[in-house]
Amino acid sequence: EVQLVESGGDLVQPGRSLRLSCAASGFSFHDYAMHWVRQAPGRGLEWVSGISWNSGFRDYADSVKGRFTISRDNAKNSLYLQMNSLRADDTAFYYCAKDIEGVTSPQHINYFDYWGQGALVTVSS
Amino acid sequence: DIQMTQSPSTLSASVGDGVFITCRASQSISNWLAWYQQKPGKAPKLLIYQASSLESGVPSRFSGSGSGTEFTLTINSLQPDDFATYYCQQYNSSPCTFGQGTKVEIK
Repeated sequence: EVQLVESGGDLVQPGRSLRLSCAASGFSFHDYAMHWVRQAPGRGLEWVSGISWNSGFRDYADSVKGRFTISRDNAKNSLYLQMNSLRADDTAFYYCAKDIEGVTSPQHINYFDYWGQGALVTVSS
Repeated sequence: DIQMTQSPSTLSASVGDGVFITCRASQSISNWLAWYQQKPGKAPKLLIYQASSLESGVPSRFSGSGSGTEFTLTINSLQPDDFATYYCQQYNSSPCTFGQGTKVEIK
């Protein structure tokens, strides 16, 4: 059974940093691209960032470019999102999501077949 | 970015009803469209991909249709477990984008 479990969500002040983790199990993590998608409370879904199977390609939404960094450790079956210079509008549930393939790029994007339960990040003073 | 617009935003229906949710893209996305179901406090669940392909394990009362800019998610004979919010997602052009969601409520 595929499982994605996010952790690291917290209440942080504007301008501070936070690191989210996603522990994956039940599939060959190293074979698949992975993504972060967020959902502000009561709002819709917004893709945040994606990373290819071998970390060779990483992409970001314009809203987080230069502030967030996605990474993965295939030996630990884990996905990460380092969030710096957090703003109030970053407040959201952050979901990790599994791509259907290993490759992700602006020329090759996919849908997501499994999602985690989400981690809540609240940015407030 | 491609804008995805769903209608209606909220839909009230009864168990046994047929339900239709529309998703329109701001430009052609061929058939690169997925549908997800989300229940409160839960992760989104994939229902349909490539506009009309049913994900494994999803009940056959769910179906998708359309191509280009207009797509429909149909739920035949709504069941109690189907009351949820539904999202479409285009994956034709980066970044992938989602519709704003359609909440299916009990009438």
